[in-house]
Amino acid sequence: NAGVTQTPKFRILKIGQSMTLQCTQDMNHNYMYWYRQDPGMGLKLIYYSVGAGITDKGEVPNGYNVSRSTTEDFPLRLELAAPSQTSVYFCASSYSHSNEQFFGPGTRLTVL
Amino acid sequence: GIQVEQSPPDLILQEGANSTLRCNFSDSVNNLQWFHQNPWGQLINLFYIPSGTKQNGRLSATTVATERYSLLYISSSQTTDSGVYFCAVVDQTGANNLFFGTGTRLTVIP
Repeated sequence: NAGVTQTPKFRILKIGQSMTLQCTQDMNHNYMYWYRQDPGMGLKLIYYSVGAGITDKGEVPNGYNVSRSTTEDFPLRLELAAPSQTSVYFCASSYSHSNEQFFGPGTRLTVL
Repeated sequence: GIQVEQSPPDLILQEGANSTLRCNFSDSVNNLQWFHQNPWGQLINLFYIPSGTKQNGRLSATTVATERYSLLYISSSQTTDSGVYFCAVVDQTGANNLFFGTGTRLTVIP
């Protein structure tokens, strides 16, 4: 099993550009999550999904959108990128909300 | 949301020394995980431990759920143990995310 994979690893955007961060898991997990980590801080939840077709907001959803059309994939969309979205983005998955969460390697995004 | 406090914030050890990291949380939890974030930013799962004690090599962890704390023990530390250690919890309110502490930054010097 590859676990949780994310692409790209690094990206630099200009203010106002948009992009999609990709996340795929091959563990047949129902739950998937997007977190962001700002320098020197712990992770904060952006969006999560409890299954295909179902998504909900986390602590810091503004400026992002998600979709969950399949069990495996959970892309994160940034529209109109802003410098405040400079961060490291982690995708995670778990069987249920109280089970262990497994994290991908992260995407380092810089908005200039 | 639930509050997660980790101590100490920073720790410097000589190689071979032992250490204990602490995580206090403000409410009952369904899930507690310890992570190691290495200098390259990768998050590595250490323990899934909502209660009880687990051991994995030189690392062990204990969670006392009724007293709302967890401890991570590192024995015979190595330079590769350097990085930031995070404790994260899922509370029992139905929230679906891990709430992270601010971490303990460990530096092991040779």
